[in-house]
Amino acid sequence: EAGVAQSPRYKIIEKRQSVAFWCNPISGHATLYWYQQILGQGPKLLIQFQNNGVVDDSQLPKDRFSAERLKGVDSTLKIQPAKLEDSAVYLCASRQSGMNTEAFFGQGTRLTVV
Amino acid sequence: AQKVTQAQTEISVVEKEDVTLDCVYETRDTTYYLFWYKQPPSGELVFLIRRNSFDEQNEISGRYSWNFQKSTSSFNFTITASQVVDSAVYFCALRHNTGKLIFGQGTTLQVKP
Repeated sequence: EAGVAQSPRYKIIEKRQSVAFWCNPISGHATLYWYQQILGQGPKLLIQFQNNGVVDDSQLPKDRFSAERLKGVDSTLKIQPAKLEDSAVYLCASRQSGMNTEAFFGQGTRLTVV
Repeated sequence: AQKVTQAQTEISVVEKEDVTLDCVYETRDTTYYLFWYKQPPSGELVFLIRRNSFDEQNEISGRYSWNFQKSTSSFNFTITASQVVDSAVYFCALRHNTGKLIFGQGTTLQVKP
């Protein structure tokens, strides 16, 4: 079974530029998460989708971050404009429906803002 | 407040020693799930175990064991006879009824040969 795919793996941009990350979850997984992991910290949830609807985006900085999951499959996370403090690894995870399930993570996108 | 605390930032042991990673959680939910994930240097989070709030039975998987105690809101992870390949960052996580999954700050384990 294919895992969670993310691209790109690495991205370097200048502050105030825009960037987008892409995630393809495991087939059939209804729940999709985006996390931000700053070096030395635990993953911080940015947004949670159930199919194509948003369940939780309480920690998403909506003035600069946006995310969508069209058709309830792939998802994109965008930052516009980027700030230095956005430098982090952005992790995507997906999970099957049901409570007795766990989330599977992609390899992440490492973003460096200079 | 719903929170996961891993008080140990870094632990260093010598190979073959046993090591316990602590996890304390806070939640108002009566039904919740607890997890441990391993993050090796490659960066991907690898699932290790899931435990629901109604199952306090301890679990053993090879050299790994987990101790869940609702009375102290703890879900500790023990590695027996540690190996160099166990070196990684370990995260404890809590999932709510809504599906929201939150992580602790992680414990970096270094196993020296």
